[in-house]
Amino acid sequence: DTAVSQTPKYLVTQMGNDKSIKCEQNLGHDTMYWYKQDSKKFLKIMFSYNNKELIINETVPNRFSPKSPDKAHLNLHINSLELGDSAVYFCASSGSGGTGELFFGEGSRLTVL
Amino acid sequence: AQSVTQLDSHVSVSEGTPVLLRCNYSSSYSPSLFWYVQHPNKGLQLLLKYTSAATLVKGINGFEAEFKKSETSFHLTKPSAHMSDAAEYFCVVMGGGSQGNLIFGKGTKLSVKP
Repeated sequence: DTAVSQTPKYLVTQMGNDKSIKCEQNLGHDTMYWYKQDSKKFLKIMFSYNNKELIINETVPNRFSPKSPDKAHLNLHINSLELGDSAVYFCASSGSGGTGELFFGEGSRLTVL
Repeated sequence: AQSVTQLDSHVSVSEGTPVLLRCNYSSSYSPSLFWYVQHPNKGLQLLLKYTSAATLVKGINGFEAEFKKSETSFHLTKPSAHMSDAAEYFCVVMGGGSQGNLIFGKGTKLSVKP
């Protein structure tokens, strides 16, 4: 019954590879997000989608491409992985109303070797 | 531009004693402020939020925070710490544009000693 679920939880890969992280929410929310948490625990928004439409696209490399097949799913694909991409990536969702309450997944820890 | 500054990177308290986690904000307009908690290897959970209603906001698990405009502060408190409160706490302000553009502080790690 997990509200926001991400897979995989852990991902270890070599530099230069391409990888994807999947996210699904069963809360009926219209908006989904990807946040990146670095090794110092600092969290920053990467992307936001509302009803499958890109709303926020912060300054992230073009190697990162979000895809939203429907409003319950927001996947993150990363091309040509670099060492600096190592981080924990959090998916989140929110309902309408602008309350600022986000529901987060448990994170996907990406390690690039 | 909106920002938050968490004044302590690490706070350690004994079980049963009060908790104070400090946060100052900077905003060009009346801010929406939040505290989120992250337990080890878990996602973040909303503790409480301030959206220009009452200045004293009560959250889950006995936490509360007071919005003080004159001091540009939004400190998080709890009268009596419990071992299960040990976690990372983030003070957050809503940025401009989308409701989900949350701007996070650098976090305060709360340790609770038995």
